[in-house]
Amino acid sequence: QLQLQESGPGLVKPSETLSLTCTVSGGSISSSTDYWGWIRQPPGKGLEWIGSIFYSGSTYYNPSLKSRVTISVDTSKDQFSLKLSSVTAADAGVYYCAKGVAGHGVGVWGQGTPVTVSS
Amino acid sequence: QSVLTQPPSASGTPGQRVTISCSGSRSNIGSNTVNWYQQLPGTAPKLLIDNNNQWPSGVPDRFSGSKSGTSASLAISGLQSEDEADYYCAAWDGSLNSYVFGTGTNVIVL
Repeated sequence: QLQLQESGPGLVKPSETLSLTCTVSGGSISSSTDYWGWIRQPPGKGLEWIGSIFYSGSTYYNPSLKSRVTISVDTSKDQFSLKLSSVTAADAGVYYCAKGVAGHGVGVWGQGTPVTVSS
Repeated sequence: QSVLTQPPSASGTPGQRVTISCSGSRSNIGSNTVNWYQQLPGTAPKLLIDNNNQWPSGVPDRFSGSKSGTSASLAISGLQSEDEADYYCAAWDGSLNSYVFGTGTNVIVL
């Protein structure tokens, strides 16, 4: 059964870049029909789509974050990653990595990793 | 700010039927399918309804989804205490070229 696990620093300083990695186990990251994405949830608030990437390399980003976000895939390690630059306190929250099949909802989620933005 | 609007809360007694609405626009619900997610306290969300009204494996048929025009609904029949959770609708938005979530609805079992 496919599983996803987020990893990365839980504390990031304001103005710096948040970097998270999601490791895929129990399956391959190389399926042409799958998409891999990141979703976040500020404390006590709702879900926010950050962006996603397909095996083809096509990426789709939330317009409100697009200028600061990069999502990439490393097929040799079965990992995909998120980079969010120039973070502020508003970027704090739980970050989930996720996987879906094209034309369907997000079927697999990581457990989530909390991120705090503070100096 | 979410482009899909849900009521902040909904409630019912065990056994009752609860319905949650999700209002969007022509660029999202009006032209793409709707997914629903359930988030139990302290856990990651789970796909509850796929493509308007399809059940992913393991989801009980007490949960059902529907769509009409630019709105969608999630119905929970035979409400149970373990259904206490936050529920989110979501859809692709062709104008934003992005997936969008609803504002979320907290379901309380009285």
